[in-house]
Amino acid sequence: QLQLQESGPGLAKPSETLSLTCTVSGGSISSNCCYWGWIRQPPGKGLEWIGTIYYSGATYYNPSLKSRVTISVDTSKNQLSLKLSSVTAADAAVFYCVRLIGYSSGPLDYWGPGTLVTVSS
Amino acid sequence: QSVLTQPPSVSGAPGQRVTISCTGSRFNIGAGYDVHWYQQLPRTAPKLLIYANNNRPSGVPDRISVSKSGTSASLAITGLQAEDEADYYCQSYDSSLSAVVFGGGTKLTVL
Repeated sequence: QLQLQESGPGLAKPSETLSLTCTVSGGSISSNCCYWGWIRQPPGKGLEWIGTIYYSGATYYNPSLKSRVTISVDTSKNQLSLKLSSVTAADAAVFYCVRLIGYSSGPLDYWGPGTLVTVSS
Repeated sequence: QSVLTQPPSVSGAPGQRVTISCTGSRFNIGAGYDVHWYQQLPRTAPKLLIYANNNRPSGVPDRISVSKSGTSASLAITGLQAEDEADYYCQSYDSSLSAVVFGGGTKLTVL
């Protein structure tokens, strides 16, 4: 059974860079079936797509975040990572690691449990 | 403001049928991009409920279905049960934004 698990600091300081890692188990991040990505959800609010990556390294970013986001994969560790720079309080959210099937905007069929990131000095 | 518009809330009694709409534009649903739906129970990650043309992941009952017409899509749940009480989100792709987009979410209350 595929499992995704986010990890990283639960607190980020304003203007700094938020870094999260997602470890994939029970399947390979290098599988050509799928894409991988990050979704965030501010407390009490809806879902927002951050970006998507294919194991080859091809990336697709939310235009509203593109200047601050970097998503990468480490196939040797079966992990993907997220870096979001220059964070503000508006970036506080639960961050989810996801798998997308079929294509870069395909359905998100597996989700990690999510990790809450607070932004505060 | 979400690119896809959903009603903030819907409600229904057990056994009834409810629908949740997802209204987009000619750049997303109207352009023919697939629409996917998610269910989010309180304090849990969203779960894929139904995708593209009425494809259900294993374990999702067939009392849940979708339809699409023009620039809108709808999720229908028949035989409403208490366990259906959750938030529901639609998702598609928007070509003008080159982005995956979500609806704002709909809270379903089972009366």
